[in-house]
Amino acid sequence: EPEVTQTPSHQVTQMGQEVILRCVPISNHLYFYWYRQILGQKVEFLVSFYNNEISEKSEIFDDQFSVERPDGSNFTLKIRSTKLEDSAMYFCASSASGGYGYTFGSGTRLTVV
Amino acid sequence: GENVEQHPSTLSVQEGDSAVIKCTYSDSASNYFPWYKQELGKRPQLIIDIRSNVGEKKDQRIAVTLNKTAKHFSLHITETQPEDSAVYFCAASTSGFQKLVFGTGTRLLVSP
Repeated sequence: EPEVTQTPSHQVTQMGQEVILRCVPISNHLYFYWYRQILGQKVEFLVSFYNNEISEKSEIFDDQFSVERPDGSNFTLKIRSTKLEDSAMYFCASSASGGYGYTFGSGTRLTVV
Repeated sequence: GENVEQHPSTLSVQEGDSAVIKCTYSDSASNYFPWYKQELGKRPQLIIDIRSNVGEKKDQRIAVTLNKTAKHFSLHITETQPEDSAVYFCAASTSGFQKLVFGTGTRLLVSP
């Protein structure tokens, strides 16, 4: 069964540093998403991406965040200047048909110290 | 915007019993309602979903019911097994490439 692949699985970074979280969506999917989950809490939407542009973003997705699809396979989330409260599990997801039938990646646990 | 509430937050059942988790949503435009199972430290995994043009969907021991008038939907698990123990999240979405809005999760514990 096709999978969404995320790297790294765990990243520890100093406050104020930039991090890039990487995702390889399922190859024939056209819709891409980032979500985050603070430990013990619900999954929260960050951003959706379609046709090489952001289609929607949440209030969490402020100027410190950016997304990019630099080539035909990768989808990245950049956090420019990390804060302690950015510590969370970040999930990438992709879908072939818009909001239906998401497949989530295994996540990147980001720890900001 | 959409708001999804989920109850109960924890649910303990004996193996073989049924479990029911309920969610309500606020946006009448929502028309897609998936349920995810998340084991500790793992990704959310889609277990069943329903679109607004049907009232019920079943897949073996799992069923979902939807009441669009009341804006609530429920997950039913019959003949629970210890491996059903996990956190279950409901979610709601409108069509197209819209985001999923998740509920707060239900921790299900099935005791042997």
